[in-house]
Formats: sequence, structure tokens, C-alpha cells
Amino acid sequence: DAGVTQSPTHLIKTRGQQVTLRCSPKSGHDTVSWYQQALGQGPQFIFQYYEEEERQRGNFPDRFSGHQFPNYSSELNVNALLLGDSALYLCASSLGGGAADTQYFGPGTRLTVL
Amino acid sequence: GESVGLHLPTLSVQEGDNSIINCAYSNSASDYFIWYKQESGKGPQFIIDIRSNMDKRQGQRVTVLLNKTVKHLSLQIAATQPGDSAVYFCAENKAGNQFYFGTGTSLTVIP
Repeated sequence: DAGVTQSPTHLIKTRGQQVTLRCSPKSGHDTVSWYQQALGQGPQFIFQYYEEEERQRGNFPDRFSGHQFPNYSSELNVNALLLGDSALYLCASSLGGGAADTQYFGPGTRLTVL
Repeated sequence: GESVGLHLPTLSVQEGDNSIINCAYSNSASDYFIWYKQESGKGPQFIIDIRSNMDKRQGQRVTVLLNKTVKHLSLQIAATQPGDSAVYFCAENKAGNQFYFGTGTSLTVIP
């Protein structure tokens, strides 16, 4: 049973560029959440997708956007990259549209902005 | 705003001893809590969860205790092993789809 997968593993970008990160949820899961984890910190919620719609959003600017596809996979897009966007980006998947569903995380994408 | 905090940022224990990792939360409306383990270079791994209608839940070598009166959560690891060395996060869900994570406690197991 495949777990949550993310690509790429590592990415280096320069300020002002745009980046797209990808996530495939755990088999059978239909909900994807994205988190940003700065070094030495806990993950911070960016947003969650369910039924191809953004269902909830954390305190992140509009530069952060996403998409969910019919097969439940998801993308996170970040425009106009800033140095402070350097972090580990985590995708978590869960089952069902209800609240408080257990979330399972992928290995993350390490983004470095120079 | 919500906050999830940990009492101790680091914890060192001898192999074979029991470990206790504590977590304080501030939102009394939180109804679901999860403990995650994160090893270096990996994503958080689910350990155990507990809902607000429970006080205690046990898993394999782990126990989570929830004290709603003082808004405190703890993770107990029995017979700690070197493979338990990692950063441990508690996360709370406040009747929504967002999980709020604390800063984490780094557990080091001394052989």
C-alpha cells in the first residue's frame, strides 16, 4: 500500500521565481493538506484540498496557491519566491471530508531559495 | 490565537527507561490530538491519537494522556530504544481541518 509521495525531493530556486511541488496521497485518501516547516519549527498549515476545492486556508499570502486533480493528487504553487520561503514543504493526506481526520505525511520537498 | 507548546525542547533518556514528553495546548475547544514522530530528513510519522472524549489511549509501547482540566497532553514511551530518537510533535485540531503543531521536543536515547 503506497504511502504519501512527494516530488521533487529537493529544489533550488532564486528569488522572484515560481515553483510547483507535487503530492500523491496515500491510496484510498481523498483529502490533501499542505504544510510549511521552517528549520527547527513545527509544520504550519497552508491549506487543504477536498473534492478539488480549497476547503480551508492558513495564514499564508496569495502567492501560495494549489490545485487538486480528479485522482486526488495535488500541487502547491508558490509565486514570487522570497528567501523566507526556504523550508520543508510537507503534504499530508487523509480520508473523508469530515473534520479531525488522521493525516499521514509524505517525506517532504526541501525548497531552498537563493 | 491558538498555540501548542512543549514544556521541554530536549529530552535525553537512557535506553530501556521510560520517556515522557509533555505538551500544553491553549484552546479548550480542541477536540482531537495527534502525536507525530519526525526523524531527520523525513516527514512526520503518525504515532497515536486521542479525542477529547477520552483521557487515555494506549498503543504499542506508547500511551497518550489527555488532561482537559489543565489543557495538557503527554506521550509516554515505554522501554525507550535508540530508534525512538527523533523530534516529537503534538498537534491539535480545533473542530476544523487545520492541525496546529508545537515546536517539538527532541528526544535522544543514550545507549
